[in-house]
Amino acid sequence: NAGVTQTPKFQVLKTGQSMTLQCAQDMNHNSMYWYRQDPGMGLRLIYYSASEGTTDKGEVPNGYNVSRLNKREFSLRLESAAPSQTSVYFCASSRTGMSEKLFFGSGTQLSVL
Amino acid sequence: ELKVEQNPLFLSMQEGKNYTIYCNYSTTSDRLYWYRQDPGKSLESLFVLLSNGAVKQEGRLMASLDTKARLSTLHITAAVHDLSATYFCAVVLMDSNYQLIWGAGTKLIIKP
Repeated sequence: NAGVTQTPKFQVLKTGQSMTLQCAQDMNHNSMYWYRQDPGMGLRLIYYSASEGTTDKGEVPNGYNVSRLNKREFSLRLESAAPSQTSVYFCASSRTGMSEKLFFGSGTQLSVL
Repeated sequence: ELKVEQNPLFLSMQEGKNYTIYCNYSTTSDRLYWYRQDPGKSLESLFVLLSNGAVKQEGRLMASLDTKARLSTLHITAAVHDLSATYFCAVVLMDSNYQLIWGAGTKLIIKP
């Protein structure tokens, strides 16, 4: 059972470079999320997709864009990376909505120099 | 605005001891989650607490919810090294989006 698969696991960028984080789930979940985790802080929601075809901003959306490609896949794009975006990024999914139990990917450690 | 505070943020304890992690939140909610994160790993759901007075137990961990006090506790009984992890509580904000608000996490180190 793959669950939520997230790539890459590690990435180093220079300021101004762009990249896309990929996420796919095989649990037929309707809702998907991107979080960032910074030391000493809880998870903060960047964007979410309540269902296929919809996306909404979370708590910290600036500097990011997302695409819900289909029911399985939800990608996160950094158009022009900044050092403040150095963080660990987690993709998650749930059956329907944020009040449900979340299933997380393994995380992406991103460093922006 | 819903705020979620966990304490302590860091806890080092000996095997065999008991301890409690606290999760306080600032506005009404009747759904709270506890998650566990092992070092360098992803997060895994431990418990969901759905109503006032709810209690869930698995092994040496027991979670409870008091919605009137806006408080949840995660109690560890006779701690063992394998329970070393960071524990997060997350509270559902009862508005139209049902957003999940996370505590900062409690890093628990259990020494043999």
